[in-house]
Amino acid sequence: ELKVEQNPLFLSMQEGKNYTIYCNYSTTSDRLYWYRQDPGKSLESLFVLLSNGAVKQEGRLMASLDTKARLSTLHITAAVHDLSATYFCAVDPAGSQGNLIFGKGTKLSVKP
Amino acid sequence: GAVVSQHPSRVICKSGTSVKIECRSLDFQATTMFWYRQFPKQSLMLMATSNEGSKATYEQGVEKDKFLINHASLTLSTLTVTSAHPEDSSFYICSARDPLVGWSYTFGSGTRLTVV
Repeated sequence: ELKVEQNPLFLSMQEGKNYTIYCNYSTTSDRLYWYRQDPGKSLESLFVLLSNGAVKQEGRLMASLDTKARLSTLHITAAVHDLSATYFCAVDPAGSQGNLIFGKGTKLSVKP
Repeated sequence: GAVVSQHPSRVICKSGTSVKIECRSLDFQATTMFWYRQFPKQSLMLMATSNEGSKATYEQGVEKDKFLINHASLTLSTLTVTSAHPEDSSFYICSARDPLVGWSYTFGSGTRLTVV
């Protein structure tokens, strides 16, 4: 059974601090996606990682992918309150019909 | 970029009635669309894969007679929740993949369904 595991599931941070969210998956995949979801809203695409060693950065967020370890990370630098949201990673399994398999999400709360 | 329009954004219906949710790809043709359901404070669960011109593929445990999916054109897929019950209340989100950019998935804005 394909599993996508995120940790932590809940993260309370102080503004200005750094932290990393981890996403492990159990199947072969070269595509890993990170999304942000605000309460009551749909998903906002953050990053698409398409190959081993891929690293992408946007503002205070940086994502990386290690396909050999089946691990992706989302690193938060100098957190600000606006980053408070739920973050999901999702995997596009090799050979699938194309549907994404989602992790349980990490609810991030950034406090002043 | 690719845009997927989903309507309605919110709907309240009475128990026993049916509700139709539309998902349109606005600037690309989507041969495949996906329907997800999200319960409060939970992740997205794939309900079914919708293929243009053919029957949808449902995930295990999803009643195909209750959640009717029609993908009649390359830009429109619909999900009809038939004989809705309060336990069907959820956030439904569609997604479409641009076949010209195989790795690109675009999500609709979601539909909050409340069955009373």
